[in-house]
Amino acid sequence: GNSVTQMEGPVTLSEEAFLTINCTYTATGYPSLFWYVQYPGEGLQLLLKATKADDKGSNKGFEATYRKETTSFHLEKGSVQVSDSAVYFCALIPNSGGYQKVTFGTGTKLQVIP
Amino acid sequence: DTEVTQTPKHLVMGMTNKKSLKCEQHMGHRAMYWYKQKAKKPPELMFVYSYEKLSINESVPSRFSPECPNSSLLNLHLHALQPEDSALYLCASSPTTERGERGYTFGSGTRLTVV
Repeated sequence: GNSVTQMEGPVTLSEEAFLTINCTYTATGYPSLFWYVQYPGEGLQLLLKATKADDKGSNKGFEATYRKETTSFHLEKGSVQVSDSAVYFCALIPNSGGYQKVTFGTGTKLQVIP
Repeated sequence: DTEVTQTPKHLVMGMTNKKSLKCEQHMGHRAMYWYKQKAKKPPELMFVYSYEKLSINESVPSRFSPECPNSSLLNLHLHALQPEDSALYLCASSPTTERGERGYTFGSGTRLTVV
């Protein structure tokens, strides 16, 4: 079956530090990959996505590149802000026909301190 | 309108109460979903509606009863819940169940506490 593995958190960074949250996946074929962000007390928001190999998704200074050869979709940001403190979920949706069930990683909590 | 709206935001109910959660979207999406999220966990799928018909029930107890009155609305009726059902309930939508490449749009959730 499909699976998504994220690095364990929490991740604590100082403001303006560089962020990497690792995500690797197992799936047949060519899934679409996503990063969702969940701020405290809220639902999930789609942060960025990539639908094929070598695509780079980007939004609000965050980036992630779909690496088929390493089955990875690591999230990066060059300079984090306190407002980026949230839980980040990596996810995949297979493109295999029929019902496209989303598989989430376990989530990585990011805390940015001033 | 690119939002999924859920009401209420917070709900406290006793184990003998009956209540309903509501979800609404006006993006023309024909697939809608209910998820349950416990603290520090990813969302867990409960139900999938496709073109207003229930297509997937992930073995959810019958005390949870979904309803899709039309293509924009999704309800979750609650009855005789247990304290362990306390969680964040998320509604989501997508264009269809077969077109996943755009991802899902999630609502802000209903924080349910069963006392």
